[in-house]
Amino acid sequence: DTGVSQDPRHKITKRGQNVTFRCDPISEHNRLYWYRQTLGQGPEFLTYFQNEAQLEKSRLLSDRFSAERPKGSFSTLEIQRTEQGDSAMYLCASSPRQFGLKNIQYFGAGTRLSVL
Amino acid sequence: KQEVTQIPAALSVPEGENLVLNCSFTDSAIYNLQWFRQDPGKGLTSLLLIQSSQREQTSGRLNASLDKSSGRSTLYIAASQPGDSATYLCAVVQGGSEKLVFGKGTKLTVNP
Repeated sequence: DTGVSQDPRHKITKRGQNVTFRCDPISEHNRLYWYRQTLGQGPEFLTYFQNEAQLEKSRLLSDRFSAERPKGSFSTLEIQRTEQGDSAMYLCASSPRQFGLKNIQYFGAGTRLSVL
Repeated sequence: KQEVTQIPAALSVPEGENLVLNCSFTDSAIYNLQWFRQDPGKGLTSLLLIQSSQREQTSGRLNASLDKSSGRSTLYIAASQPGDSATYLCAVVQGGSEKLVFGKGTKLTVNP
């Protein structure tokens, strides 16, 4: 068990370009979450998957953002037509199958996006 | 809408001191509360999770308490060490949801 893995760790892009991030959750964790964290703030929830189903989306997830988890394993987060305000750390987390006493969310190291 | 507040925003203490970090939340209908540690430029490490029915949890030098009715939690760190320097984040899971709602964190510096 290697933990939650995110790729790339850093991404620099020009305004207007599209970017895609990948998250590999802990093996057999059926729940996967995306959060966004800007400087000096706590993480803010973006979206959540149970297996391949996207069950909850934040209003922060504008129509330029799309997240997928096609086979219920890894997930991708795509941002189209990036804006400078999209610059942030994008964090992925996963949690185990049983929702309850052990519902700890385990976080990856994040992908830091800089939009120039 | 749930709001989580952490006080103080920053704290600097000499090594060896015991300290308390505070977290408050506006909606008491929570499922659980978690304390996380975040090192600069890194992801989050879960420290303690308290279920809504519990009053406290302990792990090593850390002790977290929860008073759900008053919307408060504290994280107590005993005998602080320079390696404890980090940002500590408090987050709650609302009943009926699975998302974490975070505070802005307390940046702790422990001076040798």
